[in-house]
This record gives sequence, structure tokens and C-alpha cells, in this order.
Amino acid sequence: EPEVTQTPSHQVTQMGQEVILRCVPISNHLYFYWYRQILGQKVEFLVSFYNNEISEKSEIFDDQFSVERPDGSNFTLKIRSTKLEDSAMYFCASSVFRAPDSPLHFGNGTRLTVT
Amino acid sequence: TQLLEQSPQFLSIQEGENLTVYCNSSSVFSSLQWYRQEPGEGPVLLVTVVTGGEVKKLKRLTFQFGDARKDSSLHITAAQPGDTGLYLCAGGVDYGGSQGNLIFGKGTKLSVKP
Repeated sequence: EPEVTQTPSHQVTQMGQEVILRCVPISNHLYFYWYRQILGQKVEFLVSFYNNEISEKSEIFDDQFSVERPDGSNFTLKIRSTKLEDSAMYFCASSVFRAPDSPLHFGNGTRLTVT
Repeated sequence: TQLLEQSPQFLSIQEGENLTVYCNSSSVFSSLQWYRQEPGEGPVLLVTVVTGGEVKKLKRLTFQFGDARKDSSLHITAAQPGDTGLYLCAGGVDYGGSQGNLIFGKGTKLSVKP
């Protein structure tokens, strides 16, 4: 069964550094998402992406965050200048149709640790 | 702000017992999805309920969407150790023409002891 893949599985970075989290969504999916989960907290929506542009973003997704689909397969989340509070699991997801009409398929996440 | 409250937060039971997990909100959702998450992995969809009052069964799991589409429950019959995991409910928010997103509850951590 096709799956969403994320790399790296774990990223450690120093405060102030830029990080890029990578995702390969399921190939026939059209909608892409980033969610994050701070340890012990709930899964939170960051951003949705469709037709090469952001379709919705949450308050968490401020100017430090950006997303890109640089080619036909990858979907990336960039954090320009990481803060300690950015430490979390970051999940990429994709769906055939837009949520909530279509179920989301999640990757296994990237654990980001900011020191 | 739309919130989904899940209860209980933790549940530890013996193999063979039945259990019910609840997901409640004061808001109406266009749909409710239930996910299961294992440690170190992403959430995996179990079921989506869309219609108020809808009941869906998945083997020993029964999902129900409240008539008013504000709450949902997951009932597991004769729980097995393999059911151990974090169960998340997620409400679908549909703002008409905008691209909707999911609002997640904090989850119920289930432990089934042999």
C-alpha cells in the first residue's frame, strides 16, 4: 500500500538555525498538509497546500515557516530560524480530496529537537 | 476556537474487557475521523463518520457519531493486547470554499494487559 514518507526521522538543530523537513506524499494525492505534535500535546494543524499554493494556515504557521513543492514528488517544510518551542514531531499528510471530505494519510513524522 | 475533548485520557484494562472512549465538543463538525497512533509513528485512520447518528463497525470496534454531530464514541468489545495504542478523534472543519483542516483531540491512551 502506498505511504507517505518523511525524512529525516530525527533532526537535532541549534536554536536560530534553519531546518528543512522533507516529505514524499502519496503519488496520486492532490492535497498536502503539515501537522505538528509537541510531546504530550495534541496534533495541531499547521498548513494545507493545494495546486502549488497554501490553501489554509493556522496561527502557528508564522513568517518563520514556509512550505514548498520543489518538484513533482517532494513537499517540504522550512523553519527559518528555529526556536526551542519548535521542538516537536512534525507530521506530513496527504489526501486525494481536501480534508475533511477525504481521509488523511500521515507519514511517520520527523522528530525535531531544538537545543 | 473549536475543541475536541476526549475521555478518558488514560485507560488500562484486562484482555477481554469492553471499553468506550468518548469525543465531545460544543461545536458541530462536518465529519469525525478516528485514528490510532503507535509510538514513533503517524496517526492511522480507522474510520470516518459523516452523518449524524451514523454507526460504523470495524470488527470489534464500533464507532458512533452523535445525532447533532458534536460528539462521537468508540466502543471496543473484548479488547486484546493488540488494541493497545493512542486513539485520536479528529473533527472535520468545513469553511465552505476554504480548504478544511482537522482539529484533533488529545487522545485516549489505551493499555490492554494480557
